[in-house]
Amino acid sequence: EIVLTQSPDFQSVTPKDKVTITCRASQDIGNSLNWYQQKPDQSPKLLIKYASQSFSGVPSRFSGSGSGTDFTLTIDSLEAEDAATYYCHQSSRFPWTFGQGTKVEIK
Amino acid sequence: QVQLVESGGGVVQPGRSLRLSCAASGFTFSIYAIHWVRQAPGKGLEWVAVMTYDGSIQLYADSVKGRFTMSRDNSNNILYLQLNNLRADDTALYYCARVDGVGAFDIWGQGTMVTVSS
Repeated sequence: EIVLTQSPDFQSVTPKDKVTITCRASQDIGNSLNWYQQKPDQSPKLLIKYASQSFSGVPSRFSGSGSGTDFTLTIDSLEAEDAATYYCHQSSRFPWTFGQGTKVEIK
Repeated sequence: QVQLVESGGGVVQPGRSLRLSCAASGFTFSIYAIHWVRQAPGKGLEWVAVMTYDGSIQLYADSVKGRFTMSRDNSNNILYLQLNNLRADDTALYYCARVDGVGAFDIWGQGTMVTVSS
């Protein structure tokens, strides 16, 4: 099973800050890495697919990068509405797996 | 409107069974693989199972293999997850999700809650 490790687990940030969340895979997964945002009592929403492709309708302040084992989700100029938990997810090999999540709190 | 709507959750005793449904609308259901993902209260996301567009292939997480079974009815745009021999650690919000061509979950349902408790 491919293990995805996100860091940090928690981040407290101020609006307009730049936020960087990393996801490290235990094996090479190429570009098969996706990012989701989940707000309290809501379903997850796709932000970035295939490591760096923005999903339709997602604000341009969200971007993804990386390949192989190391990936990054960046939020440029954070807005209050971005308070959420963010998950990475690999679809390279079954069983598909998720990172443990990174909670972003607004100060 | 493209959507998935889950139903069938509830409170059940350990060892009992439950069948979840996932109804699709707004897209051509019969050409998409659909997955189940669950989330225990206060915890992260866990992949559970997948069924291919035509039902020919199903894969399951080790934690549910032999107890959970997926099926689908493409003529009625509905997918099922049969949960047998339920355990306390199956307690979770169960989401069905559509997967796109690169393996990303692009559409999620709102989830249906399964609580296993005596």
